[in-house]
Formats: sequence, C-alpha cells, structure tokens
Amino acid sequence: AQSVTQLDSHVSVSEGTPVLLRCNYSSSYSPSLFWYVQHPNKGLQLLLKYTSAATLVKGINGFEAEFKKSETSFHLTKPSAHMSDAAEYFCVVSERGSTLGRLYFGRGTQLTVWP
Amino acid sequence: DSGVTQTPKHLITATGQRVTLRCSPRSGDLSVYWYQQSLDQGLQFLIQYYNGEERAKGNILERFSAQQFPDLHSELNLSSLELGDSALYFCASSAFPTGQETQYFGPGTRLLVL
Repeated sequence: AQSVTQLDSHVSVSEGTPVLLRCNYSSSYSPSLFWYVQHPNKGLQLLLKYTSAATLVKGINGFEAEFKKSETSFHLTKPSAHMSDAAEYFCVVSERGSTLGRLYFGRGTQLTVWP
Repeated sequence: DSGVTQTPKHLITATGQRVTLRCSPRSGDLSVYWYQQSLDQGLQFLIQYYNGEERAKGNILERFSAQQFPDLHSELNLSSLELGDSALYFCASSAFPTGQETQYFGPGTRLLVL
C-alpha cells in the first residue's frame, strides 16, 4: 500500500529565507514521487517528480527535492522564498511499475511567506 | 494552463439532486482520473478510465458513477446528493495509465450542496 505523511500542516517563512517542506512516504513497491502546488482557487500544478533517475530532482520556480530511500523521505526545498510561493503544497506517491496511475496525496502543507 | 478543461467551474444544488461534471483531457491523453478534495478527507482518488474503459476504482460512493466517451472526454455523475458531497472535484489526464506518468489537473469544479 502507498501512503504519504506531510510532517507540517503549516510553514511560515520570511521572503528571501530558505523553504523546507517535509514529506515521508510508505510504499510496498518502487515509488514515483511528486510535488504539486495549489494556489488559491486554482488547480494543481506539478512542481517536480522523481521516477528512478537522479535522486536530486529539480523542478520549476527554483524548487528541488531529494529522494532518500533509506529515510523514505522526499523533502521539498527552495533556497530563497518569494511572496508568489505562498500556496498549498502536496506530496504525492504512486506505484512506479504499476499499470494503474492512481495517486496518493498527503494532507498538504500551507506555506505562508511574510514580507 | 494544463490543457485539461472542466465544466462547470461552480455548481450549487440541493440535497437529493443529481449533477454531471464534465472533463476534457489534454490532447492526446488517453487516461482520465477523477479526484475529490474536501476539508475532512483531503484529496482522494475516485476513479480512473483508460481509452473508454474503467481501469481502477478508489473511494467512490455507489451514488457516483463515471464514464469516458469515444472522444475521450469524461463525465462524473453524482446522484442523491448529500451535504457531505460538497467538495472540489478535479479531473486529471495522462498519456498512459502508469504510475510514473505525470497527471495534469484541470481547474476543478466546486460543488456546493445546500
């Protein structure tokens, strides 16, 4: 079975400071991992994904995430927060080798960026 | 813009009623997924179609049904609506129905049941 735990429901940072959003996953099989972002009253946008190549994955808008199998983690980071980063972020897992594409979502982390 | 369209954007209806949500996938995508986002349950997978055939079912109530048509658009039918069905319903599409494919999400349909 697949599941995701986002360790913080809310994270607040000042503009220009680093961002860390934490995610742990559980998967019976080799996982694909994703981070999606949801801005207010908008749909979900893919930030980045890990399938099986490099463990450090770079995404859009300066975000990156590192897959750590030994820690079953896939934390999202950004060196310097921008006001436009304020949104809800979802860590997502699926079964990489599956012929089904079902996604399992974490409960989300609300990121607030202070000026 | 993901290329996935959903209509309507908002829907307000009464308990006991039936509604239909529509989704058009990205051009060329054969697989369509429906998800429900609510405050208490978070984002949950409902159902998946691939090239017109049902592929997988998640936490979908018996009062809900879906289908994918030959032109690949999909409809989610919700009947005997209850207050608890109020939620944001997302459609997503991918080229193929595998676990490593990126799913592209539509803007969602916000359903309010009064």
